Amino acid sequence: GQNIDQPTEMTATEGAIVQINCTYQTSGFNGLFWYQQHAGEAPTFLSYNVLDGLEEKGRFSSFLSRSKGYSYLLLKELQMKDSASYLCAVRDSNYQLIWGAGTKLIIKP
Amino acid sequence: NAGVTQTPKFRVLKTGQSMTLLCAQDMNHEYMYWYRQDPGMGLRLIHYSVGEGTTAKGEVPDGYNVSRLKKQNFLLGLESAAPSQTSVYFCATSSGGDVETQYFGPGTRLLVL
Repeated sequence: GQNIDQPTEMTATEGAIVQINCTYQTSGFNGLFWYQQHAGEAPTFLSYNVLDGLEEKGRFSSFLSRSKGYSYLLLKELQMKDSASYLCAVRDSNYQLIWGAGTKLIIKP
Repeated sequence: NAGVTQTPKFRVLKTGQSMTLLCAQDMNHEYMYWYRQDPGMGLRLIHYSVGEGTTAKGEVPDGYNVSRLKKQNFLLGLESAAPSQTSVYFCATSSGGDVETQYFGPGTRLLVL
């Protein structure tokens, strides 16, 4: 079966750095996506990785290791508005997105 | 530009009732998707469409039907609602391609009693 694993919840302090991990087992791999979802709202696209390595976009970075079936999202200089759920999704061999359950990130002052 | 809109935003149904959820987009995207999101679970694909007049089943299609008569609209129908269909339903669109970012509508919250 196909599986995406993420921690259910994480807590971090405003101004700090947090790393959200995602491991996956899917039938094929055609890219990994990170989305942000604030409570009661729709998911919005954050990042995309298809090759191994780090992709940096402002305060957010995403890393991929295809051989390990592993990715992480790194958030720097945390702000209160970063409190949200972070969804990891893998595009499989059928080009369908398989979604993790999401990691709820709580930012404390 | 409105992007992706969904109608209605919230609905309460009794078991056995039917309803249609409407997704409309002004992004000229070919691909459209219907997902459901339940607590503790990832988004699950119900049905999708790769273009006007086409539809295909996703991971959890049972109990749902869809139609894509116009490129900009994607309808999701529940013929006989069941409590297990209580969920938040999201429509999404994408233009295809390698990165294929999906753009989501605001969601429809459905409660089936």
